[in-house]
Amino acid sequence: QKEVEQNSGPLSVPEGAIASLNCTYSDRGSQSFFWYRQYSGKSPELIMSIYSNGDKEDGRFTAQLNKASQYVSLLIRDSQPSDSATYLCAVKHNSGYALNFGKGTSLLVTP
Amino acid sequence: GAVVSQHPSRVICKSGTSVKIECRSLDFQATTMFWYRQFPKQSLMLMATSNEGSKATYEQGVEKDKFLINHASLTLSTLTVTSAHPEDSSFYICSARETRQGEAFFGQGTRLTVV
Repeated sequence: QKEVEQNSGPLSVPEGAIASLNCTYSDRGSQSFFWYRQYSGKSPELIMSIYSNGDKEDGRFTAQLNKASQYVSLLIRDSQPSDSATYLCAVKHNSGYALNFGKGTSLLVTP
Repeated sequence: GAVVSQHPSRVICKSGTSVKIECRSLDFQATTMFWYRQFPKQSLMLMATSNEGSKATYEQGVEKDKFLINHASLTLSTLTVTSAHPEDSSFYICSARETRQGEAFFGQGTRLTVV
């Protein structure tokens, strides 16, 4: 069973703080990693993709990947109330087609 | 990012009837499309993977005769829920990818309610 684990939360952070979202995966053959944001009642929206170890920054978002530890994280700097959503971690095996999703972490940014 | 359009966004149907959901890639050719189902407060569960011109590959536990998938062109895939029952009520989301290693983009989702 290829598993993607996330803490369901809710994770509550004050406006302006850094939100840290974590994800672990079980399949060592995983090669592609994605973070999606999903607002209630809406479909997921791609935020970041990361394929190699280290950090990848895009605006207020930083994805971090450590394949040795099978760990991927998402940092959101200067968190805004509009960032309040569920964040889904998704992992793809190199030989596979589909993404394997975690259950998501609910983030609440309080004004 | 690429645009994937899903229609309808919301549908209510009577038990026993069939419902068709369309998924279109608007600005790219989707070699592979995926259909997911999401129950409240649950994650996305992959139902099937479809490649243009070939039969869909269904995940374990998903009835292929109940959830008919047609990927007739590189820009269109359809999911038909046949003989719908109330337990089929869910949020159905399609996803499309242009290349095997590329990012997958999601349609807006379809909220199906079977009464």
